[in-house]
Amino acid sequence: DAKTTQPPSMDCAEGRAANLPCNHSTISGNEYVYWYRQIHSQGPQYIIHGLKNNETNEMASLIITEDRKSSTLILPHATLRDTAVYYCIVRSNSGTYKYIFGTGTRLKVLA
Amino acid sequence: ETGVTQSPTHLIKTRGQQVTLRCSSQSGHNTVSWYQQALGQGPQFIFQYYREEENGRGNFPPRFSGLQFPNYSSELNVNALELDDSALYLCASSLEFRQGYEQYFGPGTRLTVT
Repeated sequence: DAKTTQPPSMDCAEGRAANLPCNHSTISGNEYVYWYRQIHSQGPQYIIHGLKNNETNEMASLIITEDRKSSTLILPHATLRDTAVYYCIVRSNSGTYKYIFGTGTRLKVLA
Repeated sequence: ETGVTQSPTHLIKTRGQQVTLRCSSQSGHNTVSWYQQALGQGPQFIFQYYREEENGRGNFPPRFSGLQFPNYSSELNVNALELDDSALYLCASSLEFRQGYEQYFGPGTRLTVT
């Protein structure tokens, strides 16, 4: 199962773009990259996912490098409500296609 | 709101007891996965059900068991509770279990074992 590496914490000024990096150098084949966030021990909230191409939705953009060994989640205009733990997940390609969560990045948006 | 609901919200049990947690999946979703999240850690995969059959299991002992019903709602049962079972239990549903289909999580059940 591919593993991900994320910085444990980051700060971002309110209104600025938050760029959250993720390393997944052992990703293989058609394994997708998913991003979730978790606020105050609520259930993780789905943000976005991608395979090869960059993706954008109403919440965020996902930039995946050409070799697919790393990705960046971009929150274009961070607000205080974006303060959360952000998880980058490479989904296993075998059996259940289960999510393997790491410890995530704790993003703090500062006023 | 994801449309995934869980009950109860909180639960306190004594070591050695048994507990049943319930999950109602989002409409049309045939796959339910269960996760355990200890304090300060990421969620850990327990098992997954697809169309009423167990479709895979993580590194959890047999005293963790589950069911999925014809309406795709699900139960997680834990027997012989241990103190280390204290955690947030999350269920997640998806349209399919394969790649490309994201999972939507419920709010979780906070279990405390004393």
